[in-house]
Amino acid sequence: QQQVKQSPQSLIVQKGGISIINCAYENTAFDYFPWYQQFPGKGPALLIAIRPDVSEKKEGRFTISFNKSAKQFSLHIMDSQPGDSATYFCAARKVQKLVFGQGTRLTINP
Amino acid sequence: GAGVSQTPSNKVTEKGKYVELRCDPISGHTALYWYRQSLGQGPEFLIYFQGTGAADDSGLPNDRFFAVRPEGSVSTLKIQRTERGDSAVYLCASSLANTDTQYFGPGTRLTVL
Repeated sequence: QQQVKQSPQSLIVQKGGISIINCAYENTAFDYFPWYQQFPGKGPALLIAIRPDVSEKKEGRFTISFNKSAKQFSLHIMDSQPGDSATYFCAARKVQKLVFGQGTRLTINP
Repeated sequence: GAGVSQTPSNKVTEKGKYVELRCDPISGHTALYWYRQSLGQGPEFLIYFQGTGAADDSGLPNDRFFAVRPEGSVSTLKIQRTERGDSAVYLCASSLANTDTQYFGPGTRLTVL
């Protein structure tokens, strides 16, 4: 049962462009929604996170938009840079357990 | 400060063998988690410790998998009678009690031949 669905699987963006990754969830018991960034051979690192009582959160070039009624949330990366090339995972938490999406491989072309 | 560390970084074993994977959490973190990441997939939850006790082991796939955290710090994930399907990266994470952020280690890549 895929509780968190993530799209697209891969994404190519030109340097300076906006990268957008989308996630949808099913379980309304989820209470925390983080995004993780993972480089090859490394563990996931927290990028930004949001709680369901907030519709948007911005940290630097990274923004999460959250739509509770639609059970969807998205990550926007502004002014995308080659160093942002990595795999991104959305996740949702229920009672300390994180459920991850399938991941999006993001490539920023210089 | 030091992050979550995991040893070994790579482990190659033969089908049917027993393996142990170790996780050293960030100092002072009372919560510890194990996840498994198959190639091209997101991490999947295995087990969560609060202190020494397993608070949730619902993600362990079968009774060949077992984890311990005897002193509330270091944890060991134990896999008996390994199968080729157990090949994956095993990730450990830790967090402070009652906080949101889980900090992940670099993982142990397990290959079962």
